[in-house]
Amino acid sequence: DAKTTQPTSMDCAEGRAANLPCNHSTISGNEYVYWYRQIHSQGPQYIIHGLKNNETNEMASLIITEDRKSSTLILPHATLRDTAVYYCIVRGGNYGQNFVFGPGTRLSVLP
Amino acid sequence: GAGVSQSPSNKVTEKGKDVELRCDPISGHTALYWYRQSLGQGLEFLIYFQGNSAPDKSGLPSDRFSAERTGGSVSTLTIQRTQQEDSAVYLCASSLSLLGYTFGSGTRLTVV
Repeated sequence: DAKTTQPTSMDCAEGRAANLPCNHSTISGNEYVYWYRQIHSQGPQYIIHGLKNNETNEMASLIITEDRKSSTLILPHATLRDTAVYYCIVRGGNYGQNFVFGPGTRLSVLP
Repeated sequence: GAGVSQSPSNKVTEKGKDVELRCDPISGHTALYWYRQSLGQGLEFLIYFQGNSAPDKSGLPSDRFSAERTGGSVSTLTIQRTQQEDSAVYLCASSLSLLGYTFGSGTRLTVV
């Protein structure tokens, strides 16, 4: 079973920041938080991951609370092409564990 | 290649036939995963290969499903005696590090 809880769906206005929350209250010390997204009819795409520090890359920022029980993915200036299902996944840091995908959050970016 | 390549992109087969799905991972990636996604559903883990270790087959739904990875590179997922419930998009991903997977575009399998 997925170890994360996400809202089923969210809307965001084009050009505004999209803030996608994720709860992972049972996360353990060696588990990372990963975010992927899946645009319709495509395979999932890696976005970002983190352990306990906030992370930023060219796609997004990841804010992890100090107790690590929740996180937020931030798309700073959402575009129509960011409409997708966003998956928040908790996984240990070794290769022996597969990613368990929950239902994710369906983000709709509106013009 | 630059990404994970899967073939065919679409496959229609008759119930009871065997099918083979192919995955070419990113060169040098030691880990390879197979998932499937039924229409409107989430991703379901099937099998995982890591280097020369024995594969993790814990996600295979029945003994009609099998997979192999030759030479630590190309992988083939075989479904024997296909059933209509096998209809789904079959996704392959490869990985080298904690940066996570790179997924292919998938094979859409339709069993009629």
